[in-house]
Amino acid sequence: NAGVTQTPKFRVLKTGQSMTLLCAQDMNHEYMYWYRQDPGMGLRLIHYSVGEGTTAKGEVPDGYNVSRLKKQNFLLGLESAAPSQTSVYFCASKNSGLETQYFGPGTRLLVL
Amino acid sequence: SQKIEQNSEALNIQEGKTATLTCNYTNYSPAYLQWYRQDPGRGPVFLLLIRENEKEKRKERLKVTFDTTLKQSLFHITASQPADSATYLCALASGGSYIPTFGRGTSLIVHP
Repeated sequence: NAGVTQTPKFRVLKTGQSMTLLCAQDMNHEYMYWYRQDPGMGLRLIHYSVGEGTTAKGEVPDGYNVSRLKKQNFLLGLESAAPSQTSVYFCASKNSGLETQYFGPGTRLLVL
Repeated sequence: SQKIEQNSEALNIQEGKTATLTCNYTNYSPAYLQWYRQDPGRGPVFLLLIRENEKEKRKERLKVTFDTTLKQSLFHITASQPADSATYLCALASGGSYIPTFGRGTSLIVHP
């Protein structure tokens, strides 16, 4: 099992450009999450999903959109990137009924 | 507002000693608390979970305590090794919640 994978690993964007971050998990988990991690801020929840076709806002959703068309994939979109979105993005998944989250390796995004 | 506090200063200890990390919380009634380890450039990895009705949990050289009166969890690593050097995150969630809140983490540095 690959666990949770994220694509790409690193990306540089110019202000105003758009991009999609892909998260994939092969553990048949119901729940999936997108976090951002900034120095001194810890992990902050952007959006999450409790199942295929469902999404919900987390603590810092502005400027991001998500989709969960397939159970194993959770996409995070930036429609018009801003320098404030420079961060490391982590995807996580977990099984319903259990508490442990499994994290991906992260995507480092730099917006110039 | 809900708050989770972990010491922002790095903890430096000598190899072989016991490392003790602290997680304090306010305005929160967590049903369980988790500890994760995060290495530089990687996603967090689950270590231990302790529930509100448990005082202590152990796993190999790791021990977690949970005091709901003091609103505090202590995370101990006995016989620490340089390989234990990492950032340790605590995460809390209320009963029935599938969205844990993460602390900012404490960096542990074990010197040989």
